[in-house]
Amino acid sequence: GAVVSQHPSWVICKSGTSVKIECRSLDFQATTMFWYRQFPKQSLMLMATSNEGSKATYEQGVEKDKFLINHASLTLSTLTVTSAHPEDSSFYICSASAPSGTSTDTQYFGPGTRLTVL
Amino acid sequence: LAKTTQPISMDSYEGQEVNITCSHNNIATNDYITWYQQFPSQGPRFIIQGYKTKVTNEVASLFIPADRKSSTLSLPRVSLSDTAVYYCLVGDIVGNFNKFYFGSGTKLNVKP
Repeated sequence: GAVVSQHPSWVICKSGTSVKIECRSLDFQATTMFWYRQFPKQSLMLMATSNEGSKATYEQGVEKDKFLINHASLTLSTLTVTSAHPEDSSFYICSASAPSGTSTDTQYFGPGTRLTVL
Repeated sequence: LAKTTQPISMDSYEGQEVNITCSHNNIATNDYITWYQQFPSQGPRFIIQGYKTKVTNEVASLFIPADRKSSTLSLPRVSLSDTAVYYCLVGDIVGNFNKFYFGSGTKLNVKP
């Protein structure tokens, strides 16, 4: 199946610093990538949709100036958490949309990035 | 905005067949149904996807009735390693994207 990677797998940073998380589709081109956030014992929450070469679309309640998304190529999207604070500590997961031969693309998920803000 | 409803949790024993049902009463004509498995601190893993009737692959079967308002994921002969959260999702086409809004999922606990 399609493989999606994330880097780093975990990161610890000080409050007020910025952190960049990379999401790569390794064996397919993904015109659309998605970013999710998951708090402990909760479900995934969609943050934004990222399309190659265009601005990301953010879900209601997600601050676009705080969570900067760049989709510079068909295999790479980045999420930058700016001026991180402890409440931003979470598990961030990306997914990439790969055509499955049906009318609905199948999303393949990365392994996630654990962010801890001190 | 989750469009699906699943039982919060289920218990089973090793070797049994497990059926997890999902309700999606407002599924759109073009929506497909996709199931994912998630272990703690990992990203969801694709299990199976279907549109209608029955789909089977090497790990599971997906049963979808004619009205498509529900679906059932069937896991044959589960093992302890199948203990995980299972999510049912329907494709939400907004513009050119297929967004997924996750519901609570079903926590499957397989006992020895």
